[in-house]
Amino acid sequence: DGGITQSPKYLFRKEGQNVTLSCEQNLNHDAMYWYRQDPGQGLRLIYYSQIVNDFQKGDIAEGYSVSREKKESFPLTVTSAQKNPTAFYLCATAPDIFATNEKLFFGSGTQLSVL
Amino acid sequence: AQSVSQHNHHVILSEAASLELGCNYSYGGTVNLFWYVQYPGQHLQLLLKYFSGDPLVKGIKGFEAEFIKSKFSFNLRKPSVQWSDTAEYFCAVNARSNDYKLSFGAGTTVTVRA
Repeated sequence: DGGITQSPKYLFRKEGQNVTLSCEQNLNHDAMYWYRQDPGQGLRLIYYSQIVNDFQKGDIAEGYSVSREKKESFPLTVTSAQKNPTAFYLCATAPDIFATNEKLFFGSGTQLSVL
Repeated sequence: AQSVSQHNHHVILSEAASLELGCNYSYGGTVNLFWYVQYPGQHLQLLLKYFSGDPLVKGIKGFEAEFIKSKFSFNLRKPSVQWSDTAEYFCAVNARSNDYKLSFGAGTTVTVRA
């Protein structure tokens, strides 16, 4: 919805496994973000990208990796190094990186759980 | 330490009651302030935002928020809630001092009883 598609909706990870969460947008936005939502902690920024082939670490990047090979796509990989991956993951976009008074557009999220 | 603080984790109200959710932030200098809402099963969406001008901001669905610079606060208010206001509410701030990265509070779950 709103031009941002996250998949899958639910994902299960086994011990030691890497998993990749998909985020695709057709809004022609330059900036894309990954947030992690945990109960009682709000949203925390994992990675963000301003432009194709460029991305920056957010506040909690350890155990995660991203790529931005296309403007429309910003996949997030949760690696085996992330010891507490169970959370709700939200992808967001904006016309420009940290456009000061622009809102973010959010996807519907992916719930990741550990088996 | 969290840079955006929301005072209440869970608020339970009856319909027609007034609502006020507290939000304080710790950034100095220029800030932009937002309230987002997440209704059950729906995406996060923007309720209102402040970046300059009148510190009393009106948003969608009868919500308003007041920016008090001296108190580093941006409290959300609604005079009379409805059952449909049941949702989780997030305060968010971006600041020049933090390269305008958007930081969220922990959220407040509001339950409105019919």
